Amino acid sequence: DADVTQTPRNRITKTGKRIMLECSQTKGHDRMYWYRQDPGLGLRLIYYSFDVKDINKGEISDGYSVSRQAQAKFSLSLESAIPNQTALYFCATSGAGHRTNTGELFFGEGSRLTVL
Amino acid sequence: GENVEQHPSTLSVQEGDSAVIKCTYSDSASNYFPWYKQELGKRPQLIIDIRSNVGEKKDQRIAVTLNKTAKHFSLHITETQPEDSAVYFCAASRGSGTASKLTFGTGTRLQVTL
Repeated sequence: DADVTQTPRNRITKTGKRIMLECSQTKGHDRMYWYRQDPGLGLRLIYYSFDVKDINKGEISDGYSVSRQAQAKFSLSLESAIPNQTALYFCATSGAGHRTNTGELFFGEGSRLTVL
Repeated sequence: GENVEQHPSTLSVQEGDSAVIKCTYSDSASNYFPWYKQELGKRPQLIIDIRSNVGEKKDQRIAVTLNKTAKHFSLHITETQPEDSAVYFCAASRGSGTASKLTFGTGTRLQVTL
């Protein structure tokens, strides 16, 4: 089945380290997103990309950067991790290329990051 | 920007009872309102959505109602079952094809007890 895959699924790191979370999809979607989930705060958008040459900041982009290496790959980087970036991170996709974009988000399984 | 408030944060109901989760939004231009369900340890998944040209939408035991004048929308689950236990998120955006502007509520943890 077409899916959204995130790696790593779990990561523990130390303050100041550089971390990269990777996302790949086989759904053929053009739009990709990174969300952060914290208890009691819901899902907050970090960055999004509509195609390989398009990168946009979301509501909480400070301290993060992204790279859209290909239509199917979208990575999130924390240049210098800090403890308040401890969270569950979700990659998501939407759109269906040549088909009508319904707006539905398809999430990956999540990457749990702990910064000590 | 858009602000979505969701209540209650936790909800416990007995199996077979109904559950209602309410959300309010601030941007009067918002016209797409999806609901996502996240089971424990799983990814969020869309369960139902409604657009502003519709006041109510049903899909088996779940329904969503929208009041654009009051800027609120609600999720109704009837005849609840244990598998309905999950966290539910409402969201709002301008344009159903523009997930980039999707703003989520803070979630409601629903517990269905036997």
